[in-house]
Amino acid sequence: TQLLEQSPQFLSIQEGENLTVYCNSSSVFSSLQWYRQEPGEGPVLLVTVVTGGEVKKLKRLTFQFGDARKDSSLHITAAQPGDTGLYLCAGGSQGNLIFGKGTKLSVKP
Amino acid sequence: ETGVTQSPTHLIKTRGQQVTLRCSSQSGHNTVSWYQQALGQGPQFIFQYYREEENGRGNFPPRFSGLQFPNYSSELNVNALELDDSALYLCASSLSRGAYNSPLHFGNGTRLTVT
Repeated sequence: TQLLEQSPQFLSIQEGENLTVYCNSSSVFSSLQWYRQEPGEGPVLLVTVVTGGEVKKLKRLTFQFGDARKDSSLHITAAQPGDTGLYLCAGGSQGNLIFGKGTKLSVKP
Repeated sequence: ETGVTQSPTHLIKTRGQQVTLRCSSQSGHNTVSWYQQALGQGPQFIFQYYREEENGRGNFPPRFSGLQFPNYSSELNVNALELDDSALYLCASSLSRGAYNSPLHFGNGTRLTVT
């Protein structure tokens, strides 16, 4: 059974700080996706990483896929209150995604 | 371009009852997937529909069933509701059923509470 473990589960930081959240598995995934979910809304796709070792940047967000395609990280530089939300990683085939439990991020002004 | 819409937004049911949740897919999308998200958890795959046929199912009992209509909208039906069925039910549509470069577009979900 493929599982994705995310850490930390909760993170509360001040505006302007940097942070990294992790997504780990003992299984190899052909691709991993990161989503952000805000209260009362569905998850919104941020990025898909496909190649081992791949690094993708989305403004202040940097995503990395591990060389062995078993893990991924999300780094946020100079966090802002608008970054607050639940960050989910997901892997597997597109219609049958396996999600981690998420990291709940709170950025305080 | 109209996004994924789900109805109702909130629903309260009693244990043992049946419920139907509805989803309109994004314009042009032919594939619909349903996920259950319990409080504090990530979404769990229930099943996927492609061109009106079930195209994959997660670890959910047969009392969870679905339909997809010719216009690609979809329904999720749950019979004999249990307290543990209380969750946010998410519908997601996509252009194809398997490609990683055909992203899922999620609706805002239906919050089901079973008492």
